Amino acid sequence: AQSVTQPDIHITVSEGASLELRCNYSYGATPYLFWYVQSPGQGLQLLLKYFSGDTLVQGIKGFEAEFKRSQSSFNLRKPSVHWSDAAEYFCAVGGRAGNNRKLIWGLGTSLAVNP
Amino acid sequence: GAGVSQSPSNKVTEKGKDVELRCDPISGHTALYWYRQSLGQGLEFLIYFQGNSAPDKSGLPSDRFSAERTGGSVSTLTIQRTQQEDSAVYLCASSFSGQRTDTQYFGPGTRLTVL
Repeated sequence: AQSVTQPDIHITVSEGASLELRCNYSYGATPYLFWYVQSPGQGLQLLLKYFSGDTLVQGIKGFEAEFKRSQSSFNLRKPSVHWSDAAEYFCAVGGRAGNNRKLIWGLGTSLAVNP
Repeated sequence: GAGVSQSPSNKVTEKGKDVELRCDPISGHTALYWYRQSLGQGLEFLIYFQGNSAPDKSGLPSDRFSAERTGGSVSTLTIQRTQQEDSAVYLCASSFSGQRTDTQYFGPGTRLTVL
């Protein structure tokens, strides 16, 4: 079955600390991989995506993610967190074949940032 | 010009009533997607449009749910005989061509509450 797991429901970090949000997926083949962020009252915004090539991808707001095929993981990282990064983060996967365009989503990780 | 817009932003209805949710995609985007975001359930795919046709309706939870898209632009999601379990945030997204590598841009959502 296709699924996305975000093991951490809630994470709290101090401003300036490093951050890693975990994402593991189960899929028949290598999917397309995405990280989105949702701030209160805001729509979902794409942070970064992986389609092919370099397994370390850079995104907006200083985020990066690394695709590890052997671990079926696509963890999101940021070296120094800002208070404005407090939000809900979602990992999603999409199919490469057929007519299927839908994204399969993790349940999200809520990030709180302490001053 | 602007991003994806959805209306209404909030909708409160009584059980058994019908509701219509509207999505205006980004101008020029041919692909349109509906998702539902429920507490504890994450985001779930409902339906995908390419132009006015819907190649993938696999996520519609029951025959009470239907969607249409006219003129390759505006889409309406209709829920008939609403039930309390339909309460959720309904999100619309659009992408330029519907290619799997396209970024999906999300609207702010419609929060539906069924009393």
